[in-house]
Formats: sequence, structure tokens, C-alpha cells
Amino acid sequence: NAGVTQTPKFRVLKTGQSMTLLCAQDMNHEYMYWYRQDPGMGLRLIHYSVGEGTTAKGEVPDGYNVSRLKKQNFLLGLESAAPSQTSVYFCASTDGLAARYEQYFGPGTRLTVT
Amino acid sequence: GQQLNQSPQSMFIQEGEDVSMNCTSSSIFNTWLWYKQDPGEGPVLLIALYKAGELTSNGRLTAQFGITRKDSFLNISASIPSDVGIYFCAGHKASGTYKYIFGTGTRLKVLA
Repeated sequence: NAGVTQTPKFRVLKTGQSMTLLCAQDMNHEYMYWYRQDPGMGLRLIHYSVGEGTTAKGEVPDGYNVSRLKKQNFLLGLESAAPSQTSVYFCASTDGLAARYEQYFGPGTRLTVT
Repeated sequence: GQQLNQSPQSMFIQEGEDVSMNCTSSSIFNTWLWYKQDPGEGPVLLIALYKAGELTSNGRLTAQFGITRKDSFLNISASIPSDVGIYFCAGHKASGTYKYIFGTGTRLKVLA
């Protein structure tokens, strides 16, 4: 049982390049989330999903897109990276059923955009 | 976005001492979560609380869900050097709500 995994762990992009971050969970959780964490800002919600095939915008969605084609995977895409997207990205998942709201985080992806 | 107030922001303590920190909100939550985050790592869930007044332990850690539902407390007993890190709380309001509100974090440093 690996919990929540993220790939890659580190990435450096040039402005304008695109990339996809992959999140996978093996806990059969319904809800999945993408956050970014910046110094002094705490965790900010980018997008989330409440089930396979559904996605919704969070607090800071601009410049990002997501997809949840399979229940266990949640992809975060950057179509045209900007230096302001330099951050640490965390994926998280929550069961959401039977009133269980523990949220589990992945190890993070550190992205630098030059 | 909204953040929960945590105090203290940081603290230095001697190894073996007990530590207390708290998290407060202006609104009510139905679930309180406590996490620890080490540098370069993802947050690790320590304790989850679901009922007002609930007291839950995980080893040397004990957390309480405040009676008013607007606060929560985390205590660490007999601290050790590996307790160093950032501790933060998170609140979840109710069934059908998907979002969490996170605390500002308490940075703990343990002096051996």
C-alpha cells in the first residue's frame, strides 16, 4: 500500500514549456486534490476532483488544467509554464465516504520555471 | 485564501520537554486534522478528530477537538530531536464540502 505517489519528484522547465504531473493513489479514495505550497503562503488549492471523470476549480486554477480519467489517477497539466508557477506541488486524496475526511498527501513535486 | 490561526508560530524547546500548540478559527469545523511536515517532504497525517471534546493520542502526541468546534490543540510529550519540523492543522466543515482550510503552521525546533 503506497498511499499517494507523485511523479516526477523534481522538474525544471523553461518559460513556455508544458508538462504533466501525475498523482496516483491506491486507497480507492473518491476525492483527489492538487495544491501548491509557496513560502509564507501555505497550501493553496489549485483543482480538485470528487470522483472519476469530474473536476472543479480551486482557489488558484489559472494556468493549470486537470483530468481524472481513472479513479486512482489525477493529472495536473501546465500548458505554458511561467516563472510564477515555480512552487512545490502536492497531491492529496480523501476517502470522503462514511464521513471519513482524513486527507493524505503525496511526497510533492518541486517545479522550477526559468 | 482563508487560513486558520496557529500559535505559536515557532518555538525552541529542550529535548524532553512537553510542547503545546493550538489552532483557532472564526467558524465551526466538523473535522480537525493535524499534520507534520519535514523539509522537502509532504505533510504526514498525525491525528484526525471528529467530535467536539474528543481527545485522541498517537504515541507521544495528543490532540483535542475544542468544545466550541472552533479550535483544536496538539500536545507532544517528552520531545525528541526528530520532532523537529512544521506542524499544521486543517479543518473540514461538513459532509458534502470538499475543501479544507489549513493553519499557518508551527515550526518546532528541539535542542538536544
